[in-house]
Amino acid sequence: RKEVEQDPGPFNVPEGATVAFNCTYSNSASQSFFWYRQDCRKEPKLLMSVYSSGNEDGRFTAQLNRASQYISLLIRDSKLSDSATYLCGTGRRALTFGSGTRLQVQP
Amino acid sequence: ETGVTQTPRHLVMGMTNKKSLKCEQHLGHNAMYWYKQSAKKPLELMFVYSLEERVENNSVPSRFSPECPNSSHLFLHLHTLQPEDSALYLCASSRQTGTDYGYTFGSGTRLTVV
Repeated sequence: RKEVEQDPGPFNVPEGATVAFNCTYSNSASQSFFWYRQDCRKEPKLLMSVYSSGNEDGRFTAQLNRASQYISLLIRDSKLSDSATYLCGTGRRALTFGSGTRLQVQP
Repeated sequence: ETGVTQTPRHLVMGMTNKKSLKCEQHLGHNAMYWYKQSAKKPLELMFVYSLEERVENNSVPSRFSPECPNSSHLFLHLHTLQPEDSALYLCASSRQTGTDYGYTFGSGTRLTVV
């Protein structure tokens, strides 16, 4: 089983839609959780940390479910500019990343 | 500006060449990392440095040799690479090792081995 797994997508959604991604992790000792955004041929950029209580930043909401060992990212009112690959990262000593979920927002 | 600068941006090298990738961070971070990103694969952690000391080597072949002369600079020396080593090599830094803090990535070096 991979340490961090994500549905590769692509998720094709119209502008204004709400879309959610999940990311499962196998290491129950993982302490920290993050969502990164990676545009084509660019480096990953930190989108948001994921806290046990869940957190929200504008149109983005992240949740952690320790019992089922997954984190989620919800994007409301999708914009064309949200089109990217979303990577989840977690771990204990160093971050391990999933392969990413590709989102394509269409006009 | 990203705060983490990598050079060169692109590199084409033959299998018998020796080259080096450079990473510099201007964030005052104490930990630096090398990751490899191949097409359709997740980021693979290669090396972790904390205050210039290597703390993790993730079973990376010896043809990749890291060097961390100070907490702001990190190098990856390459020699006798194979075509399957072609990938995007990303440097990252964080305040400390561990995962309490998110990582800041450089723009990467896109390496092609011919």
